[in-house]
Amino acid sequence: QKEVEQNSGPLSVPEGAIASLNCTYSDRGSQSFFWYRQYSGKSPELIMFIYSNGDKEDGRFTAQLNKASQYVSLLIRDSQPSDSATYLCAVDIQGAQKLVFGQGTRLTINP
Amino acid sequence: NAGVMQNPRHLVRRRGQEARLRCSPMKGHSHVYWYRQLPEEGLKFMVYLQKENIIDESGMPKERFSAEFPKEGPSILRIQQVVRGDSAAYFCASSPQRGVWEQYFGPGTRLTVT
Repeated sequence: QKEVEQNSGPLSVPEGAIASLNCTYSDRGSQSFFWYRQYSGKSPELIMFIYSNGDKEDGRFTAQLNKASQYVSLLIRDSQPSDSATYLCAVDIQGAQKLVFGQGTRLTINP
Repeated sequence: NAGVMQNPRHLVRRRGQEARLRCSPMKGHSHVYWYRQLPEEGLKFMVYLQKENIIDESGMPKERFSAEFPKEGPSILRIQQVVRGDSAAYFCASSPQRGVWEQYFGPGTRLTVT
């Protein structure tokens, strides 16, 4: 079992809809969870981080964490074509400050 | 407020040469991390450094790779005697020493070994 798993996609969502990206992790000692966006040929850009169970909202983005189910998700409301990118879930396992990344989900927003 | 800086952005080396990749963290950040992204693969942790200290190098290949973060100057990832399999994007990230220690990435160095 991979430490961090994501559906590789591609995930296609119409413009203006909600995009839902999911991630599961295997280590119950994981403490902090991060979502990065990566455009093709570019570096990862931090979108959100979450460390407590529940929801965390920032603009059009909402991160959701459920430690009991070992599940973290990212919702993007009012999706825009500029949101088309690969979204990487990263987990700081055991608080070691070394991030373990999922394979990423490729998201396409269709105008 | 400058972000993480890396240079060079692109580096071409012939097999057997040395590659030196540099990273300057964001202002106020004292923790540096190196990651590698191979073509069509995910990001993989390599090494975590603080000034003059290697904290965790569990992701570094055992041979040919080394990293340092001196008291003065940038962090350097050094690859000796490069092989074609070293061709990849190498990203540096830095974090503050507080909170959840979130990591901010630099633009990366694309290494091509010919």
